[in-house]
Amino acid sequence: SQELEQSPQSLIVQEGKNLTINCTSSKTLYGLYWYKQKYGEGLIFLMMLQKGGEEKSHEKITAKLDEKKQQSSLHITASQPSHAGIYLCGALAGGSQGNLIFGKGTKLSVKP
Amino acid sequence: NAGVTQTPKFQVLKTGQSMTLQCAQDMNHEYMSWYRQDPGMGLRLIHYSVGAGITDQGEVPNGYNVSRSTTEDFPLRLLSAAPSQTSVYFCASRWRASYNEQFFGPGTRLTVL
Repeated sequence: SQELEQSPQSLIVQEGKNLTINCTSSKTLYGLYWYKQKYGEGLIFLMMLQKGGEEKSHEKITAKLDEKKQQSSLHITASQPSHAGIYLCGALAGGSQGNLIFGKGTKLSVKP
Repeated sequence: NAGVTQTPKFQVLKTGQSMTLQCAQDMNHEYMSWYRQDPGMGLRLIHYSVGAGITDQGEVPNGYNVSRSTTEDFPLRLLSAAPSQTSVYFCASRWRASYNEQFFGPGTRLTVL
């Protein structure tokens, strides 16, 4: 079965610093989703990448998909306290049903 | 649109009790699913449905039942609650075709004593 490994597991950065979170798949990636979860709340959709080499941005968050490496990276520029939370990557599992599987998440803390 | 709604938000059960977690969506999405989230385990798929009358098992289906009698509703039933089912449960929905945004409900925090 496909597995997604996220790194790092947790991250503490000073406000204003840049950071990168990685998501590596054990199998071919057909679609990669990034979500953000604030502590104790639901999941907020950030973006979805479908094609190798694709790059998308939303405000100060940029995600890229590297099909060859079976990996996606999420980059936050000039981090702010509002960026704190848990970032989850999800991927379409193999098969026709289109189920999403998820990594274990990266916990981000931003120090003011 | 209300999006994906879940009730209740919090629930405490005793071992052996049964209950139903409710999930509804008003976006006419064909695909609906239930996940549980545990510390250090990420989100794990319990059951999913690709349309009314069709359900199937995910990664961790034991101890749970689902049904999909309408497009809008996808309840999750705990038959005989166990402490191992203490978790946060999320319902999600999206259009049937892949590569569409999957919308999540706010979650139900369940504690089984």
